[in-house]
Amino acid sequence: DAKTTQPPSMDCAEGRAANLPCNHSTISGNEYVYWYRQIHSQGPQYIIHGLKNNETNEMASLIITEDRKSSTLILPHATLRDTAVYYCIVSDAQGGSEKLVFGKGTKLTVNP
Amino acid sequence: DAGVIQSPRHEVTEMGQEVTLRCKPISGHDYLFWYRQTMMRGLELLIYFNNNVPIDDSGMPEDRFSAKMPNASFSTLKIQPSEPRDSAVYFCASSFQVDVGGELFFGEGSRLTVL
Repeated sequence: DAKTTQPPSMDCAEGRAANLPCNHSTISGNEYVYWYRQIHSQGPQYIIHGLKNNETNEMASLIITEDRKSSTLILPHATLRDTAVYYCIVSDAQGGSEKLVFGKGTKLTVNP
Repeated sequence: DAGVIQSPRHEVTEMGQEVTLRCKPISGHDYLFWYRQTMMRGLELLIYFNNNVPIDDSGMPEDRFSAKMPNASFSTLKIQPSEPRDSAVYFCASSFQVDVGGELFFGEGSRLTVL
């Protein structure tokens, strides 16, 4: 079973920041938080991952609360191509990603 | 690199027929994963390999499903005999490392329809 809770859907205006929340209250100390997304009819795509500190790459930023019980994925300037299902995943193995358990995710719709 | 390559992209078959899905992982990746995606159950991990050896097949639904990885550049997922409930999109993914948050690279998927 997925260890995360995400809203089923969200909307965002093009050009604005999209903030996708995720709750993972049972995360253990050595588990990472991963974010993937799946654009319609394509395979999932890795976005970012983190353990404790906030992370940023060319795609997004990941903000993890100090107690690590929740996190937020931020797409700073959403475009129409960012419309996708976004999955927040906590690794099911000791710091590893070999058994990622995908939940239902959040369906993000970016509107013009 | 061309990424993870899966074939066929679409397969329509009749119940009882054998189905073979193929995957070519990214060169140099030593982990290979097979996932299945349906509307009802979402994305499910079926099996994964490390250095061509099956590590965990606990997600394989039943004996009708089998997976092999004869070498580092090729894997197959076989369903025999196929049933309508096997209709799904099957994804293959590969990774260079899975410790410390290794990124999974997914293929485009094989859409299977069993009539």
